[in-house]
Amino acid sequence: GAVVSQHPSWVICKSGTSVKIECRSLDFQATTMFWYRQFPKKSLMLMATSNEGSKATYEQGVEKDKFLINHASLTLSTLTVTSAHPEDSSFYICSAYSGTSGRNGEQFFGPGTRLTVL
Amino acid sequence: QQQVKQSPQSLIVQKGGISIINCAYENTAFDYFPWYQQFPGKGPALLIAIRPDVSEKKEGRFTISFNKSAKQFSLHIMDSQPGDSATYFCAAGFQKLVFGTGTRLLVSP
Repeated sequence: GAVVSQHPSWVICKSGTSVKIECRSLDFQATTMFWYRQFPKKSLMLMATSNEGSKATYEQGVEKDKFLINHASLTLSTLTVTSAHPEDSSFYICSAYSGTSGRNGEQFFGPGTRLTVL
Repeated sequence: QQQVKQSPQSLIVQKGGISIINCAYENTAFDYFPWYQQFPGKGPALLIAIRPDVSEKKEGRFTISFNKSAKQFSLHIMDSQPGDSATYFCAAGFQKLVFGTGTRLLVSP
């Protein structure tokens, strides 16, 4: 149980285009989903927290107009990187949290999406 | 108050040995302390987690030791195997987590 999927697993796009990444909790309802960014050989950096049906809360320094987050249902959150540029190339990882998921309500991570902007 | 310091940055252990990774946190209100294992190109996977009401938790070869007064916790991997070679992250928080900087573990055959 407690499986989180992401789609696509990797994407290459041209500079200036927008890319949408989906995050789904497959076997539980996620009241909260988190979006992280990870650079090579670095730690996870929290970008934003999204709660179902409400606006996402962005961490300091994260451009909300560039990284659009939608959490339309208890099993789906999307991250759209708008007008992507090469500096947006990174590994994007989502996680899903439910107060009743897993053994202690822990966060479960998706497999990540590798974004490369040319 | 939101930092989680992790050490060492990298670690080489012989097969069968014990791997020890340490973390220190600052916010005394944190109530959840997980450890994640990450392989290259993959998302982090939860290994083991602890709440501050216990001082130790063991699951198979993995043990968390927790020292509330010192605001420190550590991961011990017993009988380390080459398949354990990965990057390990500690984290601390409530629902929202603050991650440590990661430890690259290499278990030599």
